[in-house]
Amino acid sequence: GEDVEQSLFLSVREGDSSVINCTYTDSSSTYLYWYKQEPGAGLQLLTYIFSNMDMKQDQRLTVLLNKKDKHLSLRIADTQTGDSAIYFCAETGLTGGGNKLTFGTGTQLKVEL
Amino acid sequence: GAVVSQHPSWVICKSGTSVKIECRSLDFQATTMFWYRQFPKQSLMLMATSNEGSKATYEQGVEKDKFLINHASLTLSTLTVTSAHPEDSSFYICSAREGSGELFFGEGSRLTVL
Repeated sequence: GEDVEQSLFLSVREGDSSVINCTYTDSSSTYLYWYKQEPGAGLQLLTYIFSNMDMKQDQRLTVLLNKKDKHLSLRIADTQTGDSAIYFCAETGLTGGGNKLTFGTGTQLKVEL
Repeated sequence: GAVVSQHPSWVICKSGTSVKIECRSLDFQATTMFWYRQFPKQSLMLMATSNEGSKATYEQGVEKDKFLINHASLTLSTLTVTSAHPEDSSFYICSAREGSGELFFGEGSRLTVL
């Protein structure tokens, strides 16, 4: 099956930039997403990128996509303590008619003062 | 914005009992709903996809008779964990979309089976 991998943990200081990386195997990926999950809660969609784009910026968030290497990253500028959470990348491709979201393993971001 | 609500948010039950979790779309018609399972410190695993008025499509390895999914209306899907056992303890999350629109996630339901 399709596979999405992320590093498990990232720690940054408040005010620094955070970069969370994700790699995937599905060459038919159409959309790639970043979700945020706070403790004990569901998922919140942060941003997404279509596979024919290589960059998308949304306020403090910058998504970079290298389709050749199947590598996706999320950069959070001026990271705040409220950004501490688990971040999941996810992708949809042709599997399941584009309906099926395959999630990465999640990266826990810890923001220290 | 659209909201997807799950109930209950936390349930503790005895082994052998059945537990029903509800997933409601509050301000849109959810033509498709998805149920996920999340173990501690792990990713979300899709269990099944349900379209209103039809049988759910289960992912490989998910027992249909164990995890009963009903999507009887455009705003409600239910997941029933039948004869629950401690290994069924998990965080269950639903998501819903209207047509090909944005996918919205519920807040999740934590099931603990004693």
